[in-house]
Amino acid sequence: KNQVEQSPQSLIILEGKNCTLQCNYTVSPFSNLRWYKQDTGRGPVSLTIMTFSENTKSNGRYTATLDADTKQSSLHITASQLSDSASYICVVSVLNAGNMLTFGGGTRLMVKP
Amino acid sequence: EAQVTQNPRYLITVTGKKLTVTCSQNMNHEYMSWYRQDPGLGLRQIYYSMNVEVTDKGDVPEGYKVSRKEKRNFPLILESPSPNQTSLYFCASSLSPGALASGRARTGELFFGEGSRLTVL
Repeated sequence: KNQVEQSPQSLIILEGKNCTLQCNYTVSPFSNLRWYKQDTGRGPVSLTIMTFSENTKSNGRYTATLDADTKQSSLHITASQLSDSASYICVVSVLNAGNMLTFGGGTRLMVKP
Repeated sequence: EAQVTQNPRYLITVTGKKLTVTCSQNMNHEYMSWYRQDPGLGLRQIYYSMNVEVTDKGDVPEGYKVSRKEKRNFPLILESPSPNQTSLYFCASSLSPGALASGRARTGELFFGEGSRLTVL
């Protein structure tokens, strides 16, 4: 069964610190991996999309990495800000399937002053 | 402005009273999808549509119906709502199933609406 596991479930850090969120998946055949940011009560917003051949991609202070061999991805947030407080969702896409997206349960990040 | 619009954003209703949550996108997208989000369970797909008149079940379709008569609209219908359908619902759209599957930057994006919080008493 296709699964996406994220860790930790929740995380509290101080403003200005860095943090790394993890995503492990068993989805096959793999097509691409996405990271979304979801503010409380709002719709998810895309941060990055990575295909099989990409192993790192940045979007401002967000850097995602992908190791397709070990089926792991990470999202690194640099110099955190209060506005980074949100849930971060890892989503993995399967090739050639209508129901093609498998969602992780998310990591809830709280940045404190 | 490119967007996915859902209505209503908040709704409290009673068991058995039919309701429809509308979803509209202005980006001429082929692919549209509905998800529900519950604490501890993440986002789960209810139904999706590859194009006009083409719909299929997702992971949790029981108790829901959809229709795709026009490209821009993808309403979610709860014929007889029950308390276990109390949830936060999201509509999403993407340019095409192929673009979504490819994961190419920009064209492969999946855009979400702002959500509809539904409470069934």
